[in-house]
Amino acid sequence: LAKTTQPISMDSYEGQEVNITCSHNNIATNDYITWYQQFPSQGPRFIIQGYKTKVTNEVASLFIPADRKSSTLSLPRVSLSDTAVYYCLVGANTGFQKLVFGTGTRLLVSP
Amino acid sequence: KAGVTQTPRYLIKTRGQQVTLSCSPISGHRSVSWYQQTPGQGLQFLFEYFSETQRNKGNFPGRFSGRQFSNSRSEMNVSTLELGDSALYLCASSLPGQGAYEQYFGPGTRLTVT
Repeated sequence: LAKTTQPISMDSYEGQEVNITCSHNNIATNDYITWYQQFPSQGPRFIIQGYKTKVTNEVASLFIPADRKSSTLSLPRVSLSDTAVYYCLVGANTGFQKLVFGTGTRLLVSP
Repeated sequence: KAGVTQTPRYLIKTRGQQVTLSCSPISGHRSVSWYQQTPGQGLQFLFEYFSETQRNKGNFPGRFSGRQFSNSRSEMNVSTLELGDSALYLCASSLPGQGAYEQYFGPGTRLTVT
């Protein structure tokens, strides 16, 4: 499984765009990049997944450069409720469902 | 569609006791995984079940076990509880073929061992 590196914490203000970058230099050809969000005392929530270029859904955008050695989760116009821990995971979409979570990025959104 | 449900939500046990936690996956999901989350170790994979068979197992002692029933509901059991077993235990389910990394988590069971 590819190792990921992300900032431990980030601060932002309401209404700003937040970009969280994840490094995964050893990503394999079959690996996908997936982001989860977790609020305190709750289970993680799947946000977005991508393989290359750009993926967008109603919650976020995921930007993946051509070399795929990093990815950026973009949260547009954050609100206080976006305060959470964000995890970047990299791995192949195989039949096994084992997720390996790193330490994640703790995002604090202030008024 | 109802999400993943876990019972009980909170539990207090004494060292040496055993505990059983229950998880009901989203309807139609056949894969169920269990995770332990602690402040010190973060989120760690325990095991995964599919069609009543354990397909993958994390690095936990044999005191941690699980099973899955024909309706995909799953239970995990921890015997001879230790103080270090205090944690949030999370269950996640997914559809086969949906993508190994797209899982849906329940709210968790907060276990406190005294």
